Amino acid sequence: AQSVTQPDIHITVSEGASLELRCNYSYGATPYLFWYVQSPGQGLQLLLKYFSGDTLVQGIKGFEAEFKRSQSSFNLRKPSVHWSDAAEYFCAVGFTGKLIFGQGTTLQVKP
Amino acid sequence: ETGVTQTPRHLVMGMTNKKSLKCEQHLGHNAMYWYKQSAKKPLELMFVYSLEERVENNSVPSRFSPECPNSSHLFLHLHTLQPEDSALYLCASSQGGGSNYGYTFGSGTRLTVV
Repeated sequence: AQSVTQPDIHITVSEGASLELRCNYSYGATPYLFWYVQSPGQGLQLLLKYFSGDTLVQGIKGFEAEFKRSQSSFNLRKPSVHWSDAAEYFCAVGFTGKLIFGQGTTLQVKP
Repeated sequence: ETGVTQTPRHLVMGMTNKKSLKCEQHLGHNAMYWYKQSAKKPLELMFVYSLEERVENNSVPSRFSPECPNSSHLFLHLHTLQPEDSALYLCASSQGGGSNYGYTFGSGTRLTVV
């Protein structure tokens, strides 16, 4: 069955440090891939998406993600984290007309 | 401006009350969704409407009753809720199933059942 796994439930990084959030999916073909961010008490905002072509995708707020077919992964990265990046991050996979969401990773940023 | 507006933002209701949550999208999408998000739990898909017809109901208790009068509006009618129904309720919309372009979410309604 198709699934999305975010292995890290909670991550803490220092402000200014680099960030990588992991996402793995299980699907027979190349899916559509998304990353969303949710600030406390808010809805989900789309950060970036991958359909095809260049496997390195740029998004809003300085985020990027890389699709690696061989690893079935779509990890989210940011070179230098800001305190305002503290939030919950969701990876999602689109297939057969649906989005399947991972369980989310909570990012805490230390001053 | 996300294009999906949810009202109210916060709602406190007793277990015997009846209330409704409203969602409106201004994006011309043809599918709308209700999600429940409880603390420390993953997103739970509750209902899916496509072209104003309910196409998915994920074993949601009957005390939650959705209504989609047109492609721009979605309601969630609530009655005789339980304290465990306290959560953030999110509405989303998409063009088609959303697998190509993703969903656009509203800011949610924070529901507290007392």
